[in-house]
Amino acid sequence: RKEVEQDPGPFNVPEGATVAFNCTYSNSASQSFFWYRQDCRKEPKLLMSVYSSGNEDGRFTAQLNRASQYISLLIRDSKLSDSATYLCVVLGSGSSNTGKLIFGQGTTLQVKP
Amino acid sequence: DADVTQTPRNRITKTGKRIMLECSQTKGHDRMYWYRQDPGLGLQLIYYSFDVKDINKGEISDGYSVSRQAQAKFSLSLESAIPNQTALYFCATSPRGTGTYNEQFFGPGTRLTVL
Repeated sequence: RKEVEQDPGPFNVPEGATVAFNCTYSNSASQSFFWYRQDCRKEPKLLMSVYSSGNEDGRFTAQLNRASQYISLLIRDSKLSDSATYLCVVLGSGSSNTGKLIFGQGTTLQVKP
Repeated sequence: DADVTQTPRNRITKTGKRIMLECSQTKGHDRMYWYRQDPGLGLQLIYYSFDVKDINKGEISDGYSVSRQAQAKFSLSLESAIPNQTALYFCATSPRGTGTYNEQFFGPGTRLTVL
């Protein structure tokens, strides 16, 4: 089982739609979680960190469910510019993982006019 | 100027050749990383360095070596390139610390093709 799993999609949605992505992680000791955004053939960039109480940044909302070991990202009022791949990222824990980020394979979003 | 730069940006080479990919950063970060990305597999960690004299293997280090020449420079070598090393390679940096300091900043990537 992969340490971080995502549905690769693609998710095809019209402009203005609300879309949600989920991600599951296998290590229950993981403490830090992030969503990165990657445009086609470009480098990944941090979109937002995911806090235990959930957090919102404009149209983006991230949630963490520790009991079920999943993280979600909700995008409201989708824009064409939201089209990208969204990477779920978990900070490794344990002696062999300290300081390393573990990336999911990414979920591709296509927002259409 | 970009904070994390990689050279070359694109490279086509032949099986058996030695290749070096270079990464430089002006962010003053202690930690540097090399990843490869293949379609459908996400980013896989090759090597990482938490300080100038610190080198650690990642998930997929076989066939690769690295050198941390200075705080700002971290190079990746393929001693004898093979076709399944064809991939997009990213260098990344992060500051020392925890929590929000775990954000990694990526270079623009090097697209390597091994024929």
